[in-house]
Amino acid sequence: EPEVTQTPSHQVTQMGQEVILRCVPISNHLYFYWYRQILGQKVEFLVSFYNNEISEKSEIFDDQFSVERPDGSNFTLKIRSTKLEDSAMYFCASSVLDLTDTQYFGPGTRLTVL
Amino acid sequence: ELKVEQNPLFLSMQEGKNYTIYCNYSTTSDRLYWYRQDPGKSLESLFVLLSNGAVKQEGRLMASLDTKARLSTLHITAAVHDLSATYFCAVGLSGGGADGLTFGKGTHLIIQP
Repeated sequence: EPEVTQTPSHQVTQMGQEVILRCVPISNHLYFYWYRQILGQKVEFLVSFYNNEISEKSEIFDDQFSVERPDGSNFTLKIRSTKLEDSAMYFCASSVLDLTDTQYFGPGTRLTVL
Repeated sequence: ELKVEQNPLFLSMQEGKNYTIYCNYSTTSDRLYWYRQDPGKSLESLFVLLSNGAVKQEGRLMASLDTKARLSTLHITAAVHDLSATYFCAVGLSGGGADGLTFGKGTHLIIQP
């Protein structure tokens, strides 16, 4: 069964450094998303992406964040200058336009900012 | 701003018992999702509810939607230990793809033998 994959599974970085989180969505899906979950808290929407541009973004998705689909398979989230409060699990999701619009989530990348 | 509230946030129950998790949301929506998350794992889609009165069942779990009351329920029948997990409801607004979901805080369910 096709699934969303994410790399790395765990990323440790120093405050102020740039990180890139990578995702490979399900191959026939057209809509891509990033969410984050701070430890023990709820899942928060960051951004959605369709047709090579941002469709929707939340207040969390400020200028330090950017997304890109550099080729036909990868979808990336870049955090330009990490802060301690960026430490969280970051989930990528994808969906196909159908009746349910169900979003399928990847296994996540745990980002630790020291 | 769309708000999604779940209760209870924590539930400890014994095997064989029945219980219901509630999910209230603040704005009219045409889609309500239930996800399961095991510790340290990703979110697994359980149910999608698209219309008023929709009911979906999978094994010991049954989800329903009342759009007029802006309420969804997840009912657990004769709970077993394997159902221990955190359950999230999530609401989408616009449909048509690329719709960011708003999640509730989750219900941490522990089922004891």
